[in-house]
Amino acid sequence: DTGVSQDPRHKITKRGQNVTFRCDPISEHNRLYWYRQTLGQGPEFLTYFQNEAQLEKSRLLSDRFSAERPKGSFSTLEIQRTEQGDSAMYLCASSPSLGGADTGELFFGEGSRLTVL
Amino acid sequence: SQQGEEDPQALSIQEGENATMNCSYKTSINNLQWYRQNSGRGLVHLILIRSNEREKHSGRLRVTLDTSKKSSSLLITASRAADTASYFCATDNGGGSNYKLTFGKGTLLTVNP
Repeated sequence: DTGVSQDPRHKITKRGQNVTFRCDPISEHNRLYWYRQTLGQGPEFLTYFQNEAQLEKSRLLSDRFSAERPKGSFSTLEIQRTEQGDSAMYLCASSPSLGGADTGELFFGEGSRLTVL
Repeated sequence: SQQGEEDPQALSIQEGENATMNCSYKTSINNLQWYRQNSGRGLVHLILIRSNEREKHSGRLRVTLDTSKKSSSLLITASRAADTASYFCATDNGGGSNYKLTFGKGTLLTVNP
Protein backbone atom coordinates (compact mmCIF):
# COMPACT_ATOMS: atom_id res chain seq x y z
CA ASP A 1 0.00 0.00 0.00
CA THR A 2 1.49 3.32 -1.03
CA GLY A 3 -0.90 5.62 0.82
CA VAL A 4 -0.37 7.59 4.00
CA SER A 5 0.10 5.28 6.95
CA GLN A 6 -0.63 6.15 10.60
CA ASP A 7 0.15 4.20 13.74
CA PRO A 8 -1.41 3.36 16.08
CA ARG A 9 -4.96 3.51 14.78
CA HIS A 10 -6.36 3.60 18.29
CA LYS A 11 -4.83 4.64 21.59
CA ILE A 12 -6.47 4.66 25.00
CA THR A 13 -4.49 6.32 27.74
CA LYS A 14 -4.94 7.72 31.22
CA ARG A 15 -4.83 11.42 31.87
CA GLY A 16 -1.30 12.62 32.46
CA GLN A 17 0.39 10.02 30.29
CA ASN A 18 2.39 10.81 27.17
CA VAL A 19 1.42 9.47 23.77
CA THR A 20 3.16 9.47 20.40
CA PHE A 21 1.67 9.02 16.97
CA ARG A 22 3.59 8.20 13.82
CA CYS A 23 2.82 9.12 10.23
CA ASP A 24 4.47 7.75 7.10
CA PRO A 25 3.54 9.96 4.14
CA ILE A 26 3.47 8.98 0.49
CA SER A 27 7.14 8.60 -0.36
CA GLU A 28 7.45 11.28 -3.02
CA HIS A 29 5.50 13.87 -1.03
CA ASN A 30 7.64 16.44 0.75
CA ARG A 31 4.78 18.27 2.49
CA LEU A 32 3.22 16.77 5.59
CA TYR A 33 0.34 18.02 7.74
CA TRP A 34 -1.23 17.14 11.06
CA TYR A 35 -4.90 17.84 11.69
CA ARG A 36 -7.12 17.16 14.68
CA GLN A 37 -10.77 16.21 14.38
CA THR A 38 -13.27 16.01 17.22
CA LEU A 39 -16.65 14.35 17.00
CA GLY A 40 -19.05 16.13 14.70
CA GLN A 41 -16.47 18.65 13.55
CA GLY A 42 -14.24 19.05 10.53
CA PRO A 43 -10.49 18.61 10.73
CA GLU A 44 -8.56 21.51 12.28
CA PHE A 45 -5.04 22.34 11.17
CA LEU A 46 -2.29 21.71 13.71
CA THR A 47 1.02 21.94 11.90
CA TYR A 48 2.80 21.66 8.56
CA PHE A 49 6.22 20.46 7.40
CA GLN A 50 8.05 21.13 4.19
CA ASN A 51 10.64 18.36 4.14
CA GLU A 52 12.12 18.40 7.68
CA ALA A 53 11.26 22.05 8.39
CA GLN A 54 8.21 22.80 10.50
CA LEU A 55 6.89 25.91 8.81
CA GLU A 56 3.69 26.63 10.68
CA LYS A 57 2.07 25.72 13.97
CA SER A 58 -1.50 26.42 14.92
CA ARG A 59 -2.40 28.08 18.19
CA LEU A 60 -4.20 24.79 18.90
CA LEU A 61 -0.78 23.21 19.30
CA SER A 62 -0.08 23.95 22.95
CA ASP A 63 3.30 23.51 24.62
CA ARG A 64 2.32 19.93 25.45
CA PHE A 65 2.28 19.08 21.76
CA SER A 66 5.42 18.57 19.69
CA ALA A 67 5.79 17.37 16.14
CA GLU A 68 8.93 16.33 14.34
CA ARG A 69 9.96 15.16 10.91
CA PRO A 70 13.64 14.48 11.46
CA LYS A 71 14.71 13.27 8.03
CA GLY A 72 11.95 14.70 5.94
CA SER A 73 10.25 11.34 5.72
CA PHE A 74 8.06 10.05 8.57
CA SER A 75 6.71 12.36 11.26
CA THR A 76 5.80 11.96 14.91
CA LEU A 77 3.28 13.88 16.98
CA GLU A 78 3.79 13.66 20.73
CA ILE A 79 1.33 14.82 23.35
CA GLN A 80 2.70 15.16 26.85
CA ARG A 81 0.64 15.07 30.03
CA THR A 82 -2.53 14.23 28.13
CA GLU A 83 -5.83 15.78 29.15
CA GLN A 84 -9.36 14.58 28.47
CA GLY A 85 -9.77 17.45 26.01
CA ASP A 86 -7.06 15.91 23.87
CA SER A 87 -9.39 13.06 22.95
CA ALA A 88 -9.80 13.28 19.21
CA MET A 89 -8.84 11.78 15.87
CA TYR A 90 -5.38 12.90 14.81
CA LEU A 91 -5.09 12.92 11.03
CA CYS A 92 -1.94 13.07 8.99
CA ALA A 93 -1.89 14.14 5.36
CA SER A 94 0.75 14.65 2.72
CA SER A 95 1.04 16.38 -0.63
CA PRO A 96 3.68 17.00 -3.26
CA SER A 97 5.47 20.33 -3.36
CA LEU A 98 4.24 23.33 -5.30
CA GLY A 99 4.74 22.89 -8.97
CA GLY A 100 3.58 20.56 -11.65
CA ALA A 101 2.74 17.72 -9.28
CA ASP A 102 0.80 19.90 -6.89
CA THR A 103 -2.93 19.83 -7.43
CA GLY A 104 -3.73 21.25 -4.01
CA GLU A 105 -5.13 17.89 -2.96
CA LEU A 106 -4.23 16.45 0.42
CA PHE A 107 -3.83 12.70 0.83
CA PHE A 108 -5.00 11.62 4.26
CA GLY A 109 -4.17 8.63 6.38
CA GLU A 110 -6.82 6.71 8.30
CA GLY A 111 -6.10 8.63 11.46
CA SER A 112 -5.09 7.81 15.02
CA ARG A 113 -7.97 7.94 17.47
CA LEU A 114 -6.96 9.02 20.97
CA THR A 115 -9.12 8.45 24.02
CA VAL A 116 -7.93 9.99 27.27
CA LEU A 117 -9.61 8.54 30.36
CA SER B 1 -11.39 28.43 13.54
CA GLN B 2 -13.35 26.89 10.71
CA GLN B 3 -13.97 28.99 7.66
CA GLY B 4 -16.38 26.77 5.76
CA GLU B 5 -19.89 26.07 6.87
CA GLU B 6 -21.79 23.26 5.23
CA ASP B 7 -25.52 23.18 4.91
CA PRO B 8 -27.44 21.10 5.76
CA GLN B 9 -25.70 19.47 8.71
CA ALA B 10 -27.46 16.22 7.90
CA LEU B 11 -29.28 14.94 4.84
CA SER B 12 -31.21 11.69 4.42
CA ILE B 13 -32.38 10.56 0.97
CA GLN B 14 -33.44 7.45 -0.89
CA GLU B 15 -31.16 5.60 -3.24
CA GLY B 16 -31.39 7.02 -6.75
CA GLU B 17 -32.22 10.55 -5.59
CA ASN B 18 -29.86 13.49 -5.97
CA ALA B 19 -28.10 15.02 -2.97
CA THR B 20 -27.11 18.67 -2.79
CA MET B 21 -24.80 20.09 -0.14
CA ASN B 22 -23.82 23.72 0.23
CA CYS B 23 -20.74 25.40 1.63
CA SER B 24 -20.15 29.02 2.54
CA TYR B 25 -16.79 30.55 3.38
CA LYS B 26 -15.54 33.88 4.61
CA THR B 27 -12.29 34.97 2.97
CA SER B 28 -10.82 34.98 -0.52
CA ILE B 29 -9.55 31.68 -1.83
CA ASN B 30 -7.40 30.18 -4.55
CA ASN B 31 -9.43 27.01 -4.69
CA LEU B 32 -12.13 25.06 -2.89
CA GLN B 33 -12.12 21.32 -2.41
CA TRP B 34 -14.64 18.72 -1.35
CA TYR B 35 -13.68 15.68 0.69
CA ARG B 36 -15.57 12.62 1.79
CA GLN B 37 -15.14 10.75 5.09
CA ASN B 38 -16.63 7.41 5.97
CA SER B 39 -17.31 6.94 9.66
CA GLY B 40 -14.08 6.53 11.63
CA ARG B 41 -11.88 6.73 8.55
CA GLY B 42 -9.63 9.27 6.89
CA LEU B 43 -10.71 11.87 4.34
CA VAL B 44 -10.72 11.20 0.64
CA HIS B 45 -10.41 13.98 -1.91
CA LEU B 46 -13.34 14.23 -4.31
CA ILE B 47 -12.91 17.32 -6.42
CA LEU B 48 -11.14 20.68 -6.54
CA ILE B 49 -12.49 23.83 -8.16
CA ARG B 50 -10.30 26.89 -8.72
CA SER B 51 -11.45 30.42 -7.99
CA ASN B 52 -11.64 31.24 -11.70
CA GLU B 53 -13.91 28.27 -12.40
CA ARG B 54 -17.67 28.28 -11.95
CA GLU B 55 -18.57 24.64 -12.43
CA LYS B 56 -16.78 21.31 -12.53
CA HIS B 57 -17.88 17.74 -13.10
CA SER B 58 -16.39 14.42 -12.08
CA GLY B 59 -18.46 11.30 -12.67
CA ARG B 60 -21.67 11.69 -10.63
CA LEU B 61 -20.32 14.79 -8.90
CA ARG B 62 -21.02 18.36 -9.91
CA VAL B 63 -19.48 21.27 -8.06
CA THR B 64 -20.30 24.93 -8.49
CA LEU B 65 -18.48 27.93 -7.10
CA ASP B 66 -19.79 31.47 -6.71
CA THR B 67 -16.93 33.65 -5.46
CA SER B 68 -19.15 36.74 -5.27
CA LYS B 69 -21.34 34.95 -2.73
CA LYS B 70 -18.45 32.98 -1.25
CA SER B 71 -20.37 29.76 -1.65
CA SER B 72 -20.10 26.38 -3.31
CA SER B 73 -22.41 23.44 -3.84
CA LEU B 74 -21.77 19.74 -4.30
CA LEU B 75 -24.36 17.71 -6.19
CA ILE B 76 -24.25 13.92 -6.15
CA THR B 77 -26.55 12.48 -8.77
CA ALA B 78 -28.22 9.08 -8.70
CA SER B 79 -27.07 8.44 -5.15
CA ARG B 80 -26.14 4.99 -3.90
CA ALA B 81 -26.10 3.50 -0.42
CA ALA B 82 -22.29 3.51 -0.67
CA ASP B 83 -22.37 7.32 -0.87
CA THR B 84 -23.35 7.41 2.81
CA ALA B 85 -20.60 9.46 4.46
CA SER B 86 -19.73 12.91 5.76
CA TYR B 87 -18.83 15.49 3.15
CA PHE B 88 -16.57 18.45 3.90
CA CYS B 89 -15.65 21.52 1.95
CA ALA B 90 -12.15 22.90 2.42
CA THR B 91 -10.62 26.19 1.40
CA ASP B 92 -7.08 27.47 1.23
CA ASN B 93 -6.07 30.81 2.67
CA GLY B 94 -6.05 32.68 -0.63
CA GLY B 95 -2.38 33.55 -0.31
CA GLY B 96 0.47 32.60 -2.57
CA SER B 97 0.97 29.28 -0.81
CA ASN B 98 -2.14 27.15 -0.77
CA TYR B 99 -0.76 24.49 1.52
CA LYS B 100 -3.10 24.88 4.47
CA LEU B 101 -6.74 23.91 4.20
CA THR B 102 -9.55 25.04 6.46
CA PHE B 103 -12.43 22.59 6.70
CA GLY B 104 -16.10 23.12 7.46
CA LYS B 105 -18.10 21.05 9.93
CA GLY B 106 -19.43 18.78 7.23
CA THR B 107 -22.72 17.39 5.99
CA LEU B 108 -23.66 13.88 7.07
CA LEU B 109 -25.33 12.20 4.09
CA THR B 110 -27.36 9.05 4.59
CA VAL B 111 -28.56 7.22 1.50
CA ASN B 112 -31.24 4.69 2.32
CA PRO B 113 -31.46 1.59 0.12
